[in-house]
Amino acid sequence: SQQGEEDPQALSIQEGENATMNCSYKTSINNLQWYRQNSGRGLVHLILIRSNEREKHSGRLRVTLDTSKKSSSLLITASRAADTASYFCAPETSGSRLTFGEGTQLTVNP
Amino acid sequence: GAVVSQHPSRVICKSGTSVKIECRSLDFQATTMFWYRQFPKQSLMLMATSNEGSKATYEQGVEKDKFLINHASLTLSTLTVTSAHPEDSSFYICSAPWTGGGDIQYFGAGTRLSVL
Repeated sequence: SQQGEEDPQALSIQEGENATMNCSYKTSINNLQWYRQNSGRGLVHLILIRSNEREKHSGRLRVTLDTSKKSSSLLITASRAADTASYFCAPETSGSRLTFGEGTQLTVNP
Repeated sequence: GAVVSQHPSRVICKSGTSVKIECRSLDFQATTMFWYRQFPKQSLMLMATSNEGSKATYEQGVEKDKFLINHASLTLSTLTVTSAHPEDSSFYICSAPWTGGGDIQYFGAGTRLSVL
């Protein structure tokens, strides 16, 4: 298993703006998942993109995957104050075992 | 949707006592569960993989005698922090892979352990 590395570490934007977070990883993957964590809570699954997919949408979320660059991005459009949270990517190689990077702390200011 | 229930959400104990944390999959069976530890403003550190009916697999550097894991049924895994000390104070989170397809995992809400 390997962990993803998120970038930036922290991001502060105004409500209504878009937020983009990036993830890099080191080896081949089966899929890559994005999770969200509100302060003091567990993680919530947001979206999964498989290695043979390049882009995926879910509501205001858009995820891209570039396996040649071993990178992924998460775009949150029209952000809301309630989107304030930490966001983690988790590359999966096998066996459901996920490891996480430091995450991106997103703050959306009203 | 599938839910993983973790209990207790918060525990405060004296140094030297043991604390048990439960992780239950509520509407699906989980032959595997994962236990994580998280320090403030840091990432989740995978501690161990809990396997139903067999021994847990611990990550490097995690003391198996300190953090006892039992996965006695297809819906329940427990983590016992034995002889807890202040340095064990942390946020512990469990997760279970959803077995209905999709490769996603469901996480418990976490347990905040404070050892005095």
